[in-house]
Parts: sequence; C-alpha cells; structure tokens
Amino acid sequence: EPEVTQTPSHQVTQMGQEVILRCVPISNHLYFYWYRQILGQKVEFLVSFYNNEISEKSEIFDDQFSVERPDGSNFTLKIRSTKLEDSAMYFCASQGLGNTIYFGEGSWLTVV
Amino acid sequence: SQQGEEDPQALSIQEGENATMNCSYKTSINNLQWYRQNSGRGLVHLILIRSNEREKHSGRLRVTLDTSKKSSSLLITASRAADTASYFCVPSSIIQGAQKLVFGQGTRLTINP
Repeated sequence: EPEVTQTPSHQVTQMGQEVILRCVPISNHLYFYWYRQILGQKVEFLVSFYNNEISEKSEIFDDQFSVERPDGSNFTLKIRSTKLEDSAMYFCASQGLGNTIYFGEGSWLTVV
Repeated sequence: SQQGEEDPQALSIQEGENATMNCSYKTSINNLQWYRQNSGRGLVHLILIRSNEREKHSGRLRVTLDTSKKSSSLLITASRAADTASYFCVPSSIIQGAQKLVFGQGTRLTINP
C-alpha cells in the first residue's frame, strides 16, 4: 500500500538553528499537510497546501515556519530559527481526490 | 472544523475480548475518520465512514455512525496485544478538498495478555 514517508525520523538541533523536515507524499495526491504533536499532547494542525500554495494555516504556523514543494514529489517544512517549544513530533500527511488523509510515521524534533 | 470527543479516555481489556470506543461530535458532517496511534508512532488510518453510511467493516474493525445522535463507535473484535494504542475519531464537514482535521485526546486502549 502506498505510504507517506518522512525524513529524518529523529533530529536534534541547537536552539536558533534552521531545520528542514522532508516528506514524500503518496504519488498523485493533491493535498498536503503538516501536523505536530508535542509530547503528551494532542495532534495539532499546522498547515495545508494545495496547488502550490498554502490553503490554510493555524496560529502556530507563524513567520518562523514555511512549506515548499520544490520538485513535484517532496514536501518540506522549514523552521527558520528553532525554539525549545518547537520540540515535537511533526507529521506530514497527504490526500488524494477522496477524503481519506494518510499520515507519515513522523519526524521527532528535539531542540536543545 | 470540529473535534470528535472520544469516550472512554482509557480502556483496559483482556486479550480476546471485544473493545468498543465511542465518539461524539457537535455539528453535521460529511465523513468521519478513525485513526490509531501506537505510542511514539505515526497515525494509521483505519476507516472512513460517510454521513450516508450507517456501518462499515474492515477486518476485525466495525464502525457505526448515527448522524441523528451525532455519534460513532469503533468496535475491535477478538482484541490482540498489538491493538494496544490510542484511537481517534475525526469528523469533517468538507465534501471535497483540503480538510483541517482536529484531533481530540483519543481513547487509550490497553490489551492485557
């Protein structure tokens, strides 16, 4: 079964450093998402992306965050200057023509 | 976007027993999706049920939807240790296009050997 793949699975970064999380959505999917889950808390929506632009973003998704689909297959989340509170599991997800949204295994980010 | 409220918050049963988890939501929906999350892992899609469907099956999973009561249930039959996970229901009113899913706290299911 096709799946969403994410890299890296784990990353430790210094506060203030830039981080790029990468995702390969399911082929032919149209809608792409990033969610995050701080340890012990709910899964939170960050951003949705369609037709090469952001369709919706949450309050969490401030100017420090950006998304890009650079080559038609990858979908990236960039955090420009990481803060301690950015430590979380980040999930990429994709959706085709139907309503089902498929999630990746996540990238665990630790900011120290 | 709306959040589903899962009940109970935690459920512990013996292996082989059936597990039933309930979900309630507030406003009308187009579909409702159930997800599973093993500790520290990703979200696995289990079943999507549409508002015009009352019941759906997938292997040992049975999902029901009662739109008049704004509720859904997930039944796992003949539970296994590997079913230990958190389960989330996520309603959506979007018919087509991008959906902002709002996750609740989920039901934490523990299967005891």
